[in-house]
Amino acid sequence: AQRVTQPEKLLSVFKGAPVELKCNYSYSGSPELFWYVQYSRQRLQLLLRHISRESIKGFTADLNKGETSFHLKKPFAQEEDSAMYYCALGTSGSRLTFGEGTQLTVNP
Amino acid sequence: DAEITQSPRHKITETGRQVTLACHQTWNHNNMFWYRQDLGHGLRLIHYSYGVHDTNKGEVSDGYSVSRSNTEDLPLTLESAASSQTSVYFCASRRTANTGELFFGEGSRLTVL
Repeated sequence: AQRVTQPEKLLSVFKGAPVELKCNYSYSGSPELFWYVQYSRQRLQLLLRHISRESIKGFTADLNKGETSFHLKKPFAQEEDSAMYYCALGTSGSRLTFGEGTQLTVNP
Repeated sequence: DAEITQSPRHKITETGRQVTLACHQTWNHNNMFWYRQDLGHGLRLIHYSYGVHDTNKGEVSDGYSVSRSNTEDLPLTLESAASSQTSVYFCASRRTANTGELFFGEGSRLTVL
């Protein structure tokens, strides 16, 4: 069965510091991985998908199949990055399995 | 612009009552989903549908049902609300099977007293 693990429920950093949100997955097939973000009082929205290999708002994420990880990174965190971040795994059909989420707080 | 909307946004009900949360999308997406969001559990899939008259159970489907009579709507019904169903519910839709973005509604906060 597929599973997504985000080991940190809360993560706090200072503005300008690097940030890494961890995501590990368990799936025997070829995974499709995403990061979704939920800013305060807003709906969940897509931040990154691994097939795009793009940088959004300074964030990047690389799929490491050997370590079954898809960690989200940003070299210099900003206060507006404070939000709940969810890692998601796409498997059979159209369903996505989400991790438990990491609440990121960027302090001034 | 096309969008996905949920109603009501907030609902307080009593144990044992039937509750229906509406979800309407105007993208003409075939794939629609209902998730619940709880602290410590993240987002968990309740039910989903791949098209009209198709419904499937997710990982936490007990006590919930859905119906898909048209492409635009996937209402979620709690047949007999329980306090454990107090949560924030999100509807989402997706155009394609494995590569499309999942679009979310704004959420419906349900409190069962």
